[in-house]
Amino acid sequence: SQQGEEDPQALSIQEGENATMNCSYKTSINNLQWYRQNSGRGLVHLILIRSNEREKHSGRLRVTLDTSKKSSSLLITASRAADTASYFCATALPIYNQGGKLIFGQGTELSVKP
Amino acid sequence: SAVISQKPSRDICQRGTSLTIQCQVDSQVTMMFWYRQQPGQSLTLIATANQGSEATYESGFVIDKFPISRPNLTFSTLTVSNMSPEDSSIYLCSVEAVGQSSYEQYFGPGTRLTVT
Repeated sequence: SQQGEEDPQALSIQEGENATMNCSYKTSINNLQWYRQNSGRGLVHLILIRSNEREKHSGRLRVTLDTSKKSSSLLITASRAADTASYFCATALPIYNQGGKLIFGQGTELSVKP
Repeated sequence: SAVISQKPSRDICQRGTSLTIQCQVDSQVTMMFWYRQQPGQSLTLIATANQGSEATYESGFVIDKFPISRPNLTFSTLTVSNMSPEDSSIYLCSVEAVGQSSYEQYFGPGTRLTVT
């Protein structure tokens, strides 16, 4: 079964607005990673946040992690039409002594209207 | 980040046949994985491709159906055997890159398989 659950499943906003997507998971993790996928193509890695980090920024992206609530959020500020895509969170579960296999959430479909 | 290529990018196959998907990385990596994304769904891990040993399969996936090879640290193949329309999916390989005590995973462009 999927580790992560994302909400909302779909989000439609106007260009320039902020978009917030949430991800919840069930078990302990090494890290949590966010990805973007355009129209069923390959996944683009956006950002990784480690289990001992609470917030991370990358350009217009801001990711938070609350391990006590087992949840994360991805904020995209000043959205653009080009941000239209599906966004997935993925949690890395420990295997061996390093890294981890990824368990994906169901994804949020973001539509940014010009 | 690693540069990953996959071949073929897409294919249409008849049921009962097999297709082998190749994944090539531009640098040596320890961990390689294969995922499946069924239409309109999220990604599901099929297996971890281990260099020099048998792949480690996730629950619901078996070697007879999805044999995997990993002859070296830059290359892996996934075969989808005895295909049925239910195997129509995007198949993606990924690699794990180590940096600053974190383990980012990067994905190939995917192989879109349609089984008729």
